[in-house]
Amino acid sequence: AQRVTQPEKLLSVFKGAPVELKCNYSYSGSPELFWYVQYSRQRLQLLLRHISRESIKGFTADLNKGETSFHLKKPFAQEEDSAMYYCAPPPAPDYKLSFGAGTTVTVRA
Amino acid sequence: DAMVIQNPRYQVTQFGKPVTLSCSQTLNHNVMYWYQQKSSQAPKLLFHYYDKDFNNEADTPDNFQSRRPNTSFCFLDIRSPGLGDAAMYLCATSRGARGSAYEQYFGPGTRLTVT
Repeated sequence: AQRVTQPEKLLSVFKGAPVELKCNYSYSGSPELFWYVQYSRQRLQLLLRHISRESIKGFTADLNKGETSFHLKKPFAQEEDSAMYYCAPPPAPDYKLSFGAGTTVTVRA
Repeated sequence: DAMVIQNPRYQVTQFGKPVTLSCSQTLNHNVMYWYQQKSSQAPKLLFHYYDKDFNNEADTPDNFQSRRPNTSFCFLDIRSPGLGDAAMYLCATSRGARGSAYEQYFGPGTRLTVT
């Protein structure tokens, strides 16, 4: 079964400090992973996906097949980054999306 | 430019009184999903449709049903809501082409209160 693990439920950092959210996956096949974000009172939305290899809002995520990880990183956290972040495995081939437990990030001034 | 719309945004129902939540999309996506999200928890998939094919999660209670009369609309019916069904219900869509991993687009959610 496709599965991801987010070991940290809560993460608190100061503004301007680096932030890293951990995600480990444990399934075979192409690991086309996603990070979704849910800001307060906003809808859940895609932040970035592995396959696009882009940086969104200063965040990047590198797939490490050796460590089976897809950690999300930002070198300088901002207060507007405070949100709930979910790592998710690909929905294919059965179209289901099962989220990790989520990590709540709080960026303090 | 709302792409996934959920109505109502807030719904209050009485214990045991059937309730229907609705979702519509303007994306023409094949797949529509319903999730239940309780406070400080990850969304939990209840079921999804690929076109008209219904796929129920094994642990979704029978109390929860769904209808998809056409591509644009999908409904979540809770036949006899209990206090434990109070939650945010999220609708999502995705393109769903076989063999590809497409992102999901979420609606704003309907917050259900059971009194």
